[in-house]
Amino acid sequence: DQQVKQNSPSLSVQEGRISILNCDYTNSMFDYFLWYKKYPAEGPTFLISISSIKDKNEDGRFTVFLNKSAKHLSLHIVPSQPGDSAVYFCAASIAGGADGLTFGKGTHLIIQP
Amino acid sequence: GAVVSQHPSWVICKSGTSVKIECRSLDFQATTMFWYRQFPKQSLMLMATSNEGSKATYEQGVEKDKFLINHASLTLSTLTVTSAHPEDSSFYICSARPGLANEKLFFGSGTQLSVL
Repeated sequence: DQQVKQNSPSLSVQEGRISILNCDYTNSMFDYFLWYKKYPAEGPTFLISISSIKDKNEDGRFTVFLNKSAKHLSLHIVPSQPGDSAVYFCAASIAGGADGLTFGKGTHLIIQP
Repeated sequence: GAVVSQHPSWVICKSGTSVKIECRSLDFQATTMFWYRQFPKQSLMLMATSNEGSKATYEQGVEKDKFLINHASLTLSTLTVTSAHPEDSSFYICSARPGLANEKLFFGSGTQLSVL
């Protein structure tokens, strides 16, 4: 049973446009969310996070939006650049918990020149 | 930023042999490290939580006798795949965090294990 779902296995976006990656979760205990970026044969690298007390967090070209009522979050990348081509994983955790993160299956973002 | 080093990056072994994977936190102490496994086109699946000085906590369905975890120091955790079989072929990734829960995890670069 997938508690964190990324329903789009891949997404193709033109360079310079906005990339929007979506993530849904089912466990209402999750209250801390992270996005990781992963290149082939490498470990994921942290990108941006958001706590459930916020609905938006911005860091440069990356913005994460959280809609708690819908149990949905999204990552916006604008403008998209060729180096953004990678697999993006959405992850969730429970505040104060010592457990590892629960990941989605990832979305492969392809930036077209 | 914090660095987690994982070694080896890839390994090919014969069926029945054991393989050890090391995970080191280079610039911070990690009381907790995590081991994940990723099959092609699947998500990272948590295998076990490694706690320094105590036994690892394994996720449901993960055989603790097959995947031996040792976290002998605050900067090193090892995962040993014992009597490896082709179905153990996967991408194994460790992660560590410099503090308590709800902080960002830093990941190693992963180990691609291929069992012939």
